[in-house]
Amino acid sequence: DAGVIQSPRHEVTEMGQEVTLRCKPISGHDYLFWYRQTMMRGLELLIYFNNNVPIDDSGMPEDRFSAKMPNASFSTLKIQPSEPRDSAVYFCASTSSGGSSYNEQFFGPGTRLTVL
Amino acid sequence: ELKVEQNPLFLSMQEGKNYTIYCNYSTTSDRLYWYRQDPGKSLESLFVLLSNGAVKQEGRLMASLDTKARLSTLHITAAVHDLSATYFCAVGGAGNEKLTFGTGTRLTIIP
Repeated sequence: DAGVIQSPRHEVTEMGQEVTLRCKPISGHDYLFWYRQTMMRGLELLIYFNNNVPIDDSGMPEDRFSAKMPNASFSTLKIQPSEPRDSAVYFCASTSSGGSSYNEQFFGPGTRLTVL
Repeated sequence: ELKVEQNPLFLSMQEGKNYTIYCNYSTTSDRLYWYRQDPGKSLESLFVLLSNGAVKQEGRLMASLDTKARLSTLHITAAVHDLSATYFCAVGGAGNEKLTFGTGTRLTIIP
């Protein structure tokens, strides 16, 4: 299995620009999570989906952030417009509610976002 | 609201020594996870603990869970440099797949 795939791995953009981060979960997993990690705030859950439906978006910091999951194998996290305080590492994770994984979340490699 | 606390936040220890990282959580949960993160890398799953008294071991790391005390420990035996990393515990909420992560313990093994 290829694991969770994220792209791009690094993104440098200027303030005010739109940024789109992409995630492909592990095949067969029905839950997908987006996290943000910074030194100051640690690891924060932004939003998660079950069967492509957003379940809890209470961690999304503000309206500039949006996330979609159009199908079981693809999700996007968009920031528009981006601000320097959005600079962080964004992780995508997936898990299965059935089987032997016991809801263990598997993380992608992350996208390191720098907003200048 | 589920809260997860880890201590210590930072730990420097000499090679060959033993130490324990603690993870306390605030509400009832039936599942607890330990993850490892190397600098600049992603989180890697180490252990899944699903019941009171559960104990899992992998090499020099051993994790245990006491659901009555709402406490999990990660014990390091005879530490080696390769174990230097940040360790996170995460607790599952009741009735959903969401995990709440602790603040992490940054472990540095000194030769």
